[in-house]
Amino acid sequence: QAGLTQPPSVSKDLRQTATLTCTGNSNNVGNEGAAWLQQHQGHPPKLLSYRNNNRPSGISERLSASRSGNTASLTIIGLQSEDEADYYCSAWDSSLRAWVFGGGTKLTVL
Amino acid sequence: EVQLVESGGGLVQPGGSLRLSCAASGFTFSSHWMNWVRQAPGKGLEWVANIKQRGSEKYYVDFVKGRFTISRDNAKNSLYLQMNSLRAEDTAVYYCVRESVGAIGGFDFWGQGVLVIVSS
Repeated sequence: QAGLTQPPSVSKDLRQTATLTCTGNSNNVGNEGAAWLQQHQGHPPKLLSYRNNNRPSGISERLSASRSGNTASLTIIGLQSEDEADYYCSAWDSSLRAWVFGGGTKLTVL
Repeated sequence: EVQLVESGGGLVQPGGSLRLSCAASGFTFSSHWMNWVRQAPGKGLEWVANIKQRGSEKYYVDFVKGRFTISRDNAKNSLYLQMNSLRAEDTAVYYCVRESVGAIGGFDFWGQGVLVIVSS
């Protein structure tokens, strides 16, 4: 089943801004948006943003999500060392009747 | 506190079967769609299956259809995944995952995961 497309890696300097992208189609991202997850090595993923771009309780205001057409984005401002992690997007595909994930983006904070 | 605790993983030979369980607590289990998501060693996340609040709807990723069955027991606050005809490529950590309530959508709570190894 077709997944979502994410760049494999992004590198940014400390205190800079990173924007991660996730591209799907009109049946998934373009339909109901994408949710974002963060995963640190050896730990289960954590939800950063719902499909409506709202943050769950306790998630830093440095993170914001948005969508334009079939592409969702996650922006992290003021990068900190703890932001170094793998980031995944996910969306419900109404045609496949399945959740689909992106392949993940490894964010490195230099 | 929301908790999802998986069990039932282990080493199984190709063609064999395993039944994963997930014990839920700290929330109204019967109000949520529940999912299984897996992650092969060193790889990304892969959705496996989900089940509606009362079990009336179930969806599967193509490559497990006919082999895996998701089920739930709301009286026991438990989610299950029966895995048959296991293949080497099913080797992964399997996570029990809660979907948020309503249209906002997202996997808002994850268990710690259980490792399944399919090997002879």
